[in-house]
Amino acid sequence: AQSVSQHNHHVILSEAASLELGCNYSYGGTVNLFWYVQYPGQHLQLLLKYFSGDPLVKGIKGFEAEFIKSKFSFNLRKPSVQWSDTAEYFCAVIPGGYQKVTFGIGTKLQVIP
Amino acid sequence: EPEVTQTPSHQVTQMGQEVILRCVPISNHLYFYWYRQILGQKVEFLVSFYNNEISEKSEIFDDQFSVERPDGSNFTLKIRSTKLEDSAMYFCAIGDSYNSPLHFGNGTRLTVT
Repeated sequence: AQSVSQHNHHVILSEAASLELGCNYSYGGTVNLFWYVQYPGQHLQLLLKYFSGDPLVKGIKGFEAEFIKSKFSFNLRKPSVQWSDTAEYFCAVIPGGYQKVTFGIGTKLQVIP
Repeated sequence: EPEVTQTPSHQVTQMGQEVILRCVPISNHLYFYWYRQILGQKVEFLVSFYNNEISEKSEIFDDQFSVERPDGSNFTLKIRSTKLEDSAMYFCAIGDSYNSPLHFGNGTRLTVT
């Protein structure tokens, strides 16, 4: 069965620090990849998605992610985090031809002012 | 604001009782999903629903669970006889195509005592 691994479960950064959250998946075929964010007390929101084309995708709020097929990775990055980025971030995968989304366990990001 | 509204936001029930969780999308969508997140664990797929029938379900979605869209608007998840381990946050999600990004509701926190 496919799985999604997020290596950092809890990350603490100071404002203006750079962020990279790791995500690896274990599915060999075509995949659609997503990052979702869940701010405290709110619903899951789509941050960015990759379906095909340019492996470097840009999302909302200055986030970007790079799909590296050879490494089965889809890491999320932001050059300079803000306190308002404090949230939980979920990597998610839909293998081609399937409906259900498989989520990683999530990474809690805490940004200290 | 989320594209889908979930009610109630929090439900406390006794073990063995039936609960119904509701989901109302703001606009018409084709695909409906239920996911859940037990505290500290991954967001897990429960079931997908398309064209008024279940299209895929996970091993979690046993005979205790059922879904329906009785009036073409509300999408409900029923748990017939709740167990302690059903305590979780339940998320409704909607999609426009079978592998499109999902839009999630705010979730219903179910506490079984």
